[in-house]
Amino acid sequence: DAKTTQPNSMESNEEEPVHLPCNHSTISGTDYIHWYRQLPSQGPEYVIHGLTSNVNNRMASLAIAEDRKSSTLILHRATLRDAAVYYCILREPGGGGSEKLVFGKGTKLTVNP
Amino acid sequence: GAGVSQTPSNKVTEKGKYVELRCDPISGHTALYWYRQSLGQGPEFLIYFQGTGAADDSGLPNDRFFAVRPEGSVSTLKIQRTERGDSAVYLCASSEVWGPRDTQYFGPGTRLTVL
Repeated sequence: DAKTTQPNSMESNEEEPVHLPCNHSTISGTDYIHWYRQLPSQGPEYVIHGLTSNVNNRMASLAIAEDRKSSTLILHRATLRDAAVYYCILREPGGGGSEKLVFGKGTKLTVNP
Repeated sequence: GAGVSQTPSNKVTEKGKYVELRCDPISGHTALYWYRQSLGQGPEFLIYFQGTGAADDSGLPNDRFFAVRPEGSVSTLKIQRTERGDSAVYLCASSEVWGPRDTQYFGPGTRLTVL
């Protein structure tokens, strides 16, 4: 499984944008980039995913570098509810174990009021 | 709609005992996953079902762990002769399809404590 590297922790203020980085220098051309987050005492929840182009949804935006060796999850206006551990995960296409999610330690985001 | 549910939410047992953990996936989801999460770590894959069959059980740590999904819906994770090192949160997830673009929906987990 391809590896990802994320900072252990980040801090933000409420209502400010947050940029969560992820490095994946060994990504292959067909790996998808997924982000999940885990709020305290809950199971992980899906945030967003992408392949090559930047992606937006109601929760966040995903900016993917042109060489795909890094990506950034963007929370446009952090709220206290966004305090969680954020996981960046690479997923291979079709079989060979691509079904499972391989979690690292993620980035613990603290949001200050 | 109803999400993934897991029962019990907490389970305390003694070393050497047998435990069963239950997962009810989202209705209609064909894929079901079990993960285990130790304190301060990300979830770790255990086993994946596509329908009734275990498509990938490579994450099961040893033969004390077993999981079934007899009718392609509810799944039970079974742990025999529990050890203190089995203490963790056991998470279940389901997805409508499988593959690199699918979204896995997680339950709240079962916290297992082995004394």
